[in-house]
Amino acid sequence: SQTIHQWPATLVQPVGSPLSLECTVEGTSNPNLYWYRQAAGRGLQLLFYSVGIGQISSEVPQNLSASRPQDRQFILSSKKLLLSDSGFYLCAWSGEQGWTEAFFGQGTRLTVV
Amino acid sequence: EDKVVQSPLSLVVHEGDTVTLNCSYEVTNFRSLLWYKQEKKAPTFLFMLTSSGIEKKSGRLSSILDKKELFSILNITATQTGDSAIYLCAVDAGENYGGSQGNLIFGKGTKLSVKP
Repeated sequence: SQTIHQWPATLVQPVGSPLSLECTVEGTSNPNLYWYRQAAGRGLQLLFYSVGIGQISSEVPQNLSASRPQDRQFILSSKKLLLSDSGFYLCAWSGEQGWTEAFFGQGTRLTVV
Repeated sequence: EDKVVQSPLSLVVHEGDTVTLNCSYEVTNFRSLLWYKQEKKAPTFLFMLTSSGIEKKSGRLSSILDKKELFSILNITATQTGDSAIYLCAVDAGENYGGSQGNLIFGKGTKLSVKP
């Protein structure tokens, strides 16, 4: 069966520090991968999506970047965090059946202080 | 701009009440509408709706889509404290976002609190 792992679960980082969140998927190949952010009162906002290795599309201009070095690995990064980067980050993947088999990671609660 | 609007943003009811959550949308390339339940962390899938007028049911939860009026409702009957969660509505905006799977545009969610 397919599983998705996302870590860390919580993170407190000072302003200006770097960020690296990692997401890996098991039990499937060539998934579409997504990074979402959930800020308070704003719902889930798509940050990046990837349809294959090295293919990254950005939806929102921001202080963040994403990379997909392997088929089932998706990384969210920042060189210098801002206070506004605080939020709940979710990794998700979808397969051939579309969003009925979309799965979300457990999320990372990031607090920038 | 594509958007999904949910109402109300929050709702407090007592056990046994019936609630109706609303979701309206404006998207260029509609493929489907999905409902998720988010308790503590990751959203879990409830329903996917693609055709108007066909009710989807799962236990005490049901949902229906109106593609003419561009909205969906999620009903929960005989609510229980375990129904307390944020309910997210999302629309698959299809080819706008590239790839074969499109992308989900989420509403802000409805926070439901069920009191004993």
